[in-house]
Amino acid sequence: ETGVTQTPRHLVMGMTNKKSLKCEQHLGHNAMYWYKQSAKKPLELMFVYNFKEQTENNSVPSRFSPECPNSSHLFLHLHTLQPEDSALYLCASSQEGAYEQYFGPGTRLTVT
Amino acid sequence: AQSVTQPDIHITVSEGASLELRCNYSYGATPYLFWYVQSPGQGLQLLLKYFSGDTLVQGIKGFEAEFKRSQSSFNLRKPSVHWSDAAEYFCAVGLLTTSGTYKYIFGTGTRLKVLA
Repeated sequence: ETGVTQTPRHLVMGMTNKKSLKCEQHLGHNAMYWYKQSAKKPLELMFVYNFKEQTENNSVPSRFSPECPNSSHLFLHLHTLQPEDSALYLCASSQEGAYEQYFGPGTRLTVT
Repeated sequence: AQSVTQPDIHITVSEGASLELRCNYSYGATPYLFWYVQSPGQGLQLLLKYFSGDTLVQGIKGFEAEFKRSQSSFNLRKPSVHWSDAAEYFCAVGLLTTSGTYKYIFGTGTRLKVLA
């Protein structure tokens, strides 16, 4: 595997379900990011982790719970989501202090 | 507050025609600017970036962009569009955070359609 991978690529879940999104980067980077991409809205930064420590939380509702066990893996745990949470969730990584972020292909989430 | 504006939601061009996608930003200091492209079902791929120096930057796939400080613009251009360029294009400003990482402010994107 190369670059940034995300699993699953598609997820359908009910509002009472609990699920997790996984992101893995194979680039040796130290920083990882979660973004939400909704139709007709700019990409929204959700969380930033730098050396496994959360450094940004963009006022994200608590029904989204990130986890970064090491610099290569990032999870987004989901519970009691709302239909408006349906979106493409993108993971990215970067080297600390570097400007460029590398994005994964995203997980298309549908909340029913 | 920092912001990025892409005034054109959709653009349609014929294959072989030239292309210019507009991007305006609002940021107090000299910005770090990026253009990304997203094909259907894919993540974002970096086309080019501007940090400093020459205001005309070259990117991948034959794209270039020009930074104009006086106009707060960073427009993306390509002299001859190929059908495979049909995608969504995002302009972004990179902001250094106190933790040493960069976070992006993205525009809403411009969807490019290419006619054969």
